[in-house]
Amino acid sequence: DQQVKQNSPSLSVQEGRISILNCDYTNSMFDYFLWYKKYPAEGPTFLISISSIKDKNEDGRFTVFLNKSAKHLSLHIVPSQPGDSAVYFCAAIVNQAGTALIFGKGTTLSVSS
Amino acid sequence: DTGVSQNPRHKITKRGQNVTFRCDPISEHNRLYWYRQTLGQGPEFLTYFQNEAQLEKSRLLSDRFSAERPKGSFSTLEIQRTEQGDSAMYLCASSLQGTLHFGNGTRLTVT
Repeated sequence: DQQVKQNSPSLSVQEGRISILNCDYTNSMFDYFLWYKKYPAEGPTFLISISSIKDKNEDGRFTVFLNKSAKHLSLHIVPSQPGDSAVYFCAAIVNQAGTALIFGKGTTLSVSS
Repeated sequence: DTGVSQNPRHKITKRGQNVTFRCDPISEHNRLYWYRQTLGQGPEFLTYFQNEAQLEKSRLLSDRFSAERPKGSFSTLEIQRTEQGDSAMYLCASSLQGTLHFGNGTRLTVT
């Protein structure tokens, strides 16, 4: 039973265009959401997060949108760069409960120049 | 900030052998997590410590797996009688709250 779902295994985008990565979740208790980026042979690195009390958080080229009613979040990367090519994981947590972070299966983003 | 350190980076072992991995978290972080990642999957939670107390264990953590965090500092993950299905990347992460900071993992190959 997957609580965090990333239904697109891969996404290809041209340099300079927008990349949109999607994530759906089923557990309405989740109150904090994170995106991680992973290069081969490295551990995941934190990218951006959003609390359930917000619907948008922006950090430079990266913006995360949260739609609680739809249990959906998305990561927008504008403009996309070749160095953004990596696997992106969506993750969620019931923060106040101190439970573990639950990850989706990831989306592989390829940005071509 | 030296980050989360994991050793060894790679481990090849024969089926039936025991292996132990070590994780050194970021020094001020009181929470420490172990995850496992296989090809095409996201990291799957194994177990979690707050200081030296092991607070949660996943159903994935069979009796052959044991983790410790003596004195609430570094942690070890031991797998006894390894099986080929144990082949995976074992990731350690630490946090104060919310955001987990991961190490680069230990790649285990069981032949």
